Amino acid sequence: KAGVTQTPRYLIKTRGQQVTLSCSPISGHRSVSWYQQTPGQGLQFLFEYFSETQRNKGNFPGRFSGRQFSNSRSEMNVSTLELGDSALYLCASSLTPTPSYNEQFFGPGTRLTVL
Amino acid sequence: QKEVEQNSGPLSVPEGAIASLNCTYSDRGSQSFFWYRQYSGKSPELIMSIYSNGDKEDGRFTAQLNKASQYVSLLIRDSQPSDSATYLCAVRESGTYKYIFGTGTRLKVLA
Repeated sequence: KAGVTQTPRYLIKTRGQQVTLSCSPISGHRSVSWYQQTPGQGLQFLFEYFSETQRNKGNFPGRFSGRQFSNSRSEMNVSTLELGDSALYLCASSLTPTPSYNEQFFGPGTRLTVL
Repeated sequence: QKEVEQNSGPLSVPEGAIASLNCTYSDRGSQSFFWYRQYSGKSPELIMSIYSNGDKEDGRFTAQLNKASQYVSLLIRDSQPSDSATYLCAVRESGTYKYIFGTGTRLKVLA
């Protein structure tokens, strides 16, 4: 079974631009979560989607948004990029959000560099 | 803000020794706990999950959970240089089921 896939793997953008990242979950998985990972802050939760609905949201500004499609694929968008948005963006999928023992698996990530 | 705490390390152990990684969490209602391994430049990889008090063994890995003390640990027996990585502890938050991650412990296994 194929794992979580993310595209693109690497991105270089300039301040003020916007970016869209894509995630395809493991086949059969319907829950998708997004994380930002930086050396200073570790893994920070962005949001979680299930059945095309946002279930949970982390403490990020409104410049960060996401959506999920009917096939469970998900995208996240960052508008008006700032230097501090440079990070590894990780997508993770699980079968469903509950029960709590459902395991979550990560994709390879998208490395975003903002110049 | 519910928290998961880990010692950042590095934890250095000689090859063949037991590496012990620890994690404490603040959400008393949490029921599910996970250990991820992350090699430098790669994404986290799930290595263990544990839900009940006590020990759970999988190969060279043993996860230990003590809900009363809000403590979860990972033991790696016969540590190998290939085990050198950052180990992330994750806890599912009660109510929201969000994953809360610790900042990770960097393990170095010395050949």
